[in-house]
Amino acid sequence: KQEVTQIPAALSVPEGENLVLNCSFTDSAIYNLQWFRQDPGKGLTSLLLIQSSQREQTSGRLNASLDKSSGRSTLYIAASQPGDSATYLCAVIDSWGKLQFGAGTQVVVTP
Amino acid sequence: DAGITQSPRYKITETGRQVTLMCHQTWSHSYMFWYRQDLGHGLRLIYYSAAADITDKGEVPDGYVVSRSKTENFPLTLESATRSQTSVYFCASSDSSGGTQYFGPGTRLLVL
Repeated sequence: KQEVTQIPAALSVPEGENLVLNCSFTDSAIYNLQWFRQDPGKGLTSLLLIQSSQREQTSGRLNASLDKSSGRSTLYIAASQPGDSATYLCAVIDSWGKLQFGAGTQVVVTP
Repeated sequence: DAGITQSPRYKITETGRQVTLMCHQTWSHSYMFWYRQDLGHGLRLIYYSAAADITDKGEVPDGYVVSRSKTENFPLTLESATRSQTSVYFCASSDSSGGTQYFGPGTRLLVL
């Protein structure tokens, strides 16, 4: 059974520092991987989708890498801002399109 | 551009009552999903649908029923609500099986 883990569970950084968020999964037979952001009491906002054939995906200050063989994905957020404070979730996608989520990393960026 | 909407946004009900949560998307996406989010369990898939009239169970389907007679709608029914079904419910849609999933704003359900 696929297990998705995100470490650390919580992270606090000063404004301007780069954020590094980790996601690991036990079964490398994933179809794709998606990163989300969730603000308190809100829904999920999609940040990036990495296809299984890709190693990396970038959008603005965000960069996500994927290493299927080692079961890891990393989300980098450059030059963090207080508005980046949120919970970040990764989810692996199987061939049916079903998502399996990690528990998330709660990020606080202090001014 | 409404995207994906859910109704109601908040619902309080009593054990044993039937409750239906609505999900509507304007993109004509083929795939639709229902998840629940709980402290300690995270987000878990309840049911999904690959197209109208095609549905299948996810990780936690017990006590729930879905239907999909139209591509744009995917209602979730709790046939006889229990306290353990108190949760936040999210609907999502995607244009392909492995494509980006877009989530609705959620429905907060409290079962007393």
